[in-house]
Amino acid sequence: AQRVTQPEKLLSVFKGAPVELKCNYSYSGSPELFWYVQYSRQRLQLLLRHISRESIKGFTADLNKGETSFHLKKPFAQEEDSAMYYCALSPTSGTYKYIFGTGTRLKVLA
Amino acid sequence: DVKVTQSSRYLVKRTGEKVFLECVQDMDHENMFWYRQDPGLGLRLIYFSYDVKMKEKGDIPEGYSVSREKKERFSLILESASTNQTSMYLCASTEQGSGNTIYFGEGSWLTVV
Repeated sequence: AQRVTQPEKLLSVFKGAPVELKCNYSYSGSPELFWYVQYSRQRLQLLLRHISRESIKGFTADLNKGETSFHLKKPFAQEEDSAMYYCALSPTSGTYKYIFGTGTRLKVLA
Repeated sequence: DVKVTQSSRYLVKRTGEKVFLECVQDMDHENMFWYRQDPGLGLRLIYFSYDVKMKEKGDIPEGYSVSREKKERFSLILESASTNQTSMYLCASTEQGSGNTIYFGEGSWLTVV
């Protein structure tokens, strides 16, 4: 079955500490993977996608096909990183229905 | 800049009422989605449309229906609202094909009393 798993509902870190939000997926094939973010009182928006291999706001994510993971990392957390983060998978065939994880709320403490 | 607009940000409805949630996108996207967002449950797909008048059920379609008469507009209908449908509803759109960015609306907070 196609699935995206984010094991942590809440992650609290201190400002300046490293952050890793975990994401594992189940998909028979090569999916497209994304991280979406929702800041307080803002709409859900794209943070980054694996195919771009870019760093956005200091965040990076590496696709590990062996471990079927796409963890989001940032070396030094900032208070403005506090938000809800969703990992998402886009199938590469079929009806292209995206699959989202249950989300991880990141709280960066001063 | 893609814009997905949900006409109602906050609604309070009574049990049994018929509820319409409207969504419009301005980028000529083929695909449109309605999600429900609940704490601890993430985003759950209610319905998906890949063309005018075409729709597919998502993971939780019970109690909902949709309408897509024009490409830019996708409506979610609650035929008879119930208290367990109190939630945040998100509309989204994307281009046809895989791997495209999804663009979301600001959401509609629905409270059923």
